[in-house]
Amino acid sequence: GEDVEQSLFLSVREGDSSVINCTYTDSSSTYLYWYKQEPGAGLQLLTYIFSNMDMKQDQRLTVLLNKKDKHLSLRIADTQTGDSAIYFCAESGSGGSNYKLTFGKGTLLTVNP
Amino acid sequence: DTEVTQTPKHLVMGMTNKKSLKCEQHMGHRAMYWYKQKAKKPPELMFVYSYEKLSINESVPSRFSPECPNSSLLNLHLHALQPEDSALYLCASSQEGGGGWETQYFGPGTRLLVL
Repeated sequence: GEDVEQSLFLSVREGDSSVINCTYTDSSSTYLYWYKQEPGAGLQLLTYIFSNMDMKQDQRLTVLLNKKDKHLSLRIADTQTGDSAIYFCAESGSGGSNYKLTFGKGTLLTVNP
Repeated sequence: DTEVTQTPKHLVMGMTNKKSLKCEQHMGHRAMYWYKQKAKKPPELMFVYSYEKLSINESVPSRFSPECPNSSLLNLHLHALQPEDSALYLCASSQEGGGGWETQYFGPGTRLLVL
């Protein structure tokens, strides 16, 4: 079945760049997503990338997709303390099952002042 | 506007109570979802409604009963819950596009505690 793997923890200093990595197994995924979850809150869609793209940039966020290696990364430039949260990578299925998101376990990003 | 709202924000209930969670979106999305999220875990899909019809039930116990009264509203009726059902319940919605159901937008969740 589909599987999404992420490292569980990342700690960076304020102002540095953060890179969160994710690998997935379903080569037929349509979209790949990054969601952010702050303590006690719901999931906030940060960005997504369509499977036929290899890069997407949105302000401080850069998503890179290596489809051959099934590797997705999220780079946050100039990381701020407000970026401290859990970041979930998720893939959608394809065709009739693309309603189903498969999430990674989440990466806890800690930003130190 | 990509807002999904959920009420209540917090809920405490006993194992014999009946309560309901509510979710609303006005984005014209025709798919709505219920997820359950335990602490430090990713969300787990429970139900999917598409065009107000239940299309997916991920083998959820019958003590959870979803309802979709119209295209903007989604309810989750709770009855005879167990303490292990305590969790954050998230609602999401998505629109249909050329490739099927598109990006899911989540609400803030209802934090449920069953005593």
